[in-house]
Amino acid sequence: ETGVTQTPRHLVMGMTNKKSLKCEQHLGHNAMYWYKQSAKKPLELMFVYNFKEQTENNSVPSRFSPECPNSSHLFLHLHTLQPEDSALYLCASSDRGAANEKLFFGSGTQLSVL
Amino acid sequence: RKEVEQDPGPFNVPEGATVAFNCTYSNSASQSFFWYRQDCRKEPKLLMSVYSSGNEDGRFTAQLNRASQYISLLIRDSKLSDSATYLCVVKGTNTGNQFYFGTGTSLTVIP
Repeated sequence: ETGVTQTPRHLVMGMTNKKSLKCEQHLGHNAMYWYKQSAKKPLELMFVYNFKEQTENNSVPSRFSPECPNSSHLFLHLHTLQPEDSALYLCASSDRGAANEKLFFGSGTQLSVL
Repeated sequence: RKEVEQDPGPFNVPEGATVAFNCTYSNSASQSFFWYRQDCRKEPKLLMSVYSSGNEDGRFTAQLNRASQYISLLIRDSKLSDSATYLCVVKGTNTGNQFYFGTGTSLTVIP
């Protein structure tokens, strides 16, 4: 079983749709993240949850709504997205506070907004 | 100023060549340093951490120069399978504790 599983792998949605991305980590980590990766740009941090409490929200538009019911699961709810939101969305987890803390990523969701 | 800067490349090298990537970071108080590898349309995967004394993993050698705020990755005897984008990642200070990513350096190894 892979460490961080993310679904779906691909998603095409219209601007009026509502969809959700799902992420689950099996590593016993205490922090989970959502990142956005657009072409030719570095990964952009969207949200951080530490022990299921949101600790960072990097000025993300409200059409992206995260949910973290427990420290193993993370969702990103999407509604009324714009074409410029098309990107690769990556979930990650880490053992925050550990001396050798590293990020582990899920396989990503390639999102296309039409 | 960007937190992490990398030469985007692309680097096109023949099989068997040695290639080096460089990265600079802006926050002198940064604590942890990594190289990740990302294949096209896939997730980044940890290649190696970078330690102050330098470290090696097979054909890969990473170096850190704290005084110059500079990180490097050397790949010896390049293989076709090394073709990917290499991301330099720096972990911030205690405040925020964020991971900062470079834009990545693209490598293509040519037969």
